[in-house]
Amino acid sequence: DGGITQSPKYLFRKEGQNVTLSCEQNLNHDAMYWYRQDPGQGLRLIYYSQIVNDFQKGDIAEGYSVSREKKESFPLTVTSAQKNPTAFYLCASSIALLGDGYTFGSGTRLTVV
Amino acid sequence: QQPVQSPQAVILREGEDAVINCSSSKALYSVHWYRQKHGEAPVFLMILLKGGEQKGHEKISASFNEKKQQSSLYLTASQLSYSGTYFCGTHTNAGKSTFGDGTTLTVKP
Repeated sequence: DGGITQSPKYLFRKEGQNVTLSCEQNLNHDAMYWYRQDPGQGLRLIYYSQIVNDFQKGDIAEGYSVSREKKESFPLTVTSAQKNPTAFYLCASSIALLGDGYTFGSGTRLTVV
Repeated sequence: QQPVQSPQAVILREGEDAVINCSSSKALYSVHWYRQKHGEAPVFLMILLKGGEQKGHEKISASFNEKKQQSSLYLTASQLSYSGTYFCGTHTNAGKSTFGDGTTLTVKP
């Protein structure tokens, strides 16, 4: 079955550490996205990528970095520069940047300890 | 700038109808709707492209008024399974999508 796999499901980070969240899709989608969701709030865009080797900052990119070396993969690194990283992180993909709905992964819940 | 959803929360009895609204201050290319159950990923319901179309999926339908930059989601004869948080996402021609803060729908027996 096609879909998006995010790992790990739960992640604990010590202050000052960088952590990387994995996102892999086998839907052959060109566009991929990272969103952050805080309790009781909507989805805020961190980064998005329309094609391989290209990505754009979203609304809250500070303290995060991404890469898109393969079509299937779009990992997100939460750096120590992100002061409040505790949140639910969702990866999504779509056939193209416009005109198509998103398929979401099951999410990674990151907690700073 | 994110779209504004209203109402923030709705409580219904099974079989009742509900309308959720989504408004944007920007010219939109499309609007898409999702439902999220607690602790789970959002699930895509439908997308509406500019042109004022209306779409339906079983007893859930939506409209998009391009002139007003508004979309509405209609839930008819609600079922217990409809409970969750509904999000609208809006696309401008630039391609970036922005989501509203969500509307929490609770359907009671």
